[in-house]
Amino acid sequence: GQNIDQPTEMTATEGAIVQINCTYQTSGFNGLFWYQQHAGEAPTFLSYNVLDGLEEKGRFSSFLSRSKGYSYLLLKELQMKDSASYLCASPGGGGNKLTFGTGTQLKVEL
Amino acid sequence: DADVTQTPRNRITKTGKRIMLECSQTKGHDRMYWYRQDPGLGLRLIYYSFDVKDINKGEISDGYSVSRQAQAKFSLSLESAIPNQTALYFCATRTGGSNTEAFFGQGTRLTVV
Repeated sequence: GQNIDQPTEMTATEGAIVQINCTYQTSGFNGLFWYQQHAGEAPTFLSYNVLDGLEEKGRFSSFLSRSKGYSYLLLKELQMKDSASYLCASPGGGGNKLTFGTGTQLKVEL
Repeated sequence: DADVTQTPRNRITKTGKRIMLECSQTKGHDRMYWYRQDPGLGLRLIYYSFDVKDINKGEISDGYSVSRQAQAKFSLSLESAIPNQTALYFCATRTGGSNTEAFFGQGTRLTVV
């Protein structure tokens, strides 16, 4: 597998910034995805990184360091609706097999 | 209508029964996937398929089989269901390329009693 690791849970305050980390096995790297999943619902795509650096999309940004096998998802101006699980995923060698981490459950509090 | 449709959405079945979960897509994607989700374990890959003639095992294929009847249809079967197969099952599709996002069905909640 791709040995994807993420923290299990995080808690943050509404309006704050939170960073969710993901580490992965670097062999056969073909980019990294982030998905959001609300309880009982299907995951939805947030971002894809294949080059080093930060990519910003509104309140959400994703960072990649290929040499370190490390990525993070940055959520700004947190809202209650951001309470969800955030999943890191790798397409692996060949790009066809899509493997997910266990996900980070984010709870946003007042 | 949803682009990726799973049926049934909920199912309760007895231990030892055979059950099939179905997935169909209207996106024209060649790659299809079946995952199961358990609390605290994220999404685990059961099987994936690149096209009708190509089926691949994922991390947890034991106890499951699949059939890719057409490009648009990918079914997951439990030949003899057991209680530890109780989980939320998701089907997903992708088009070609490493950078393409996956589109998920709404999930099938399966309970084996």
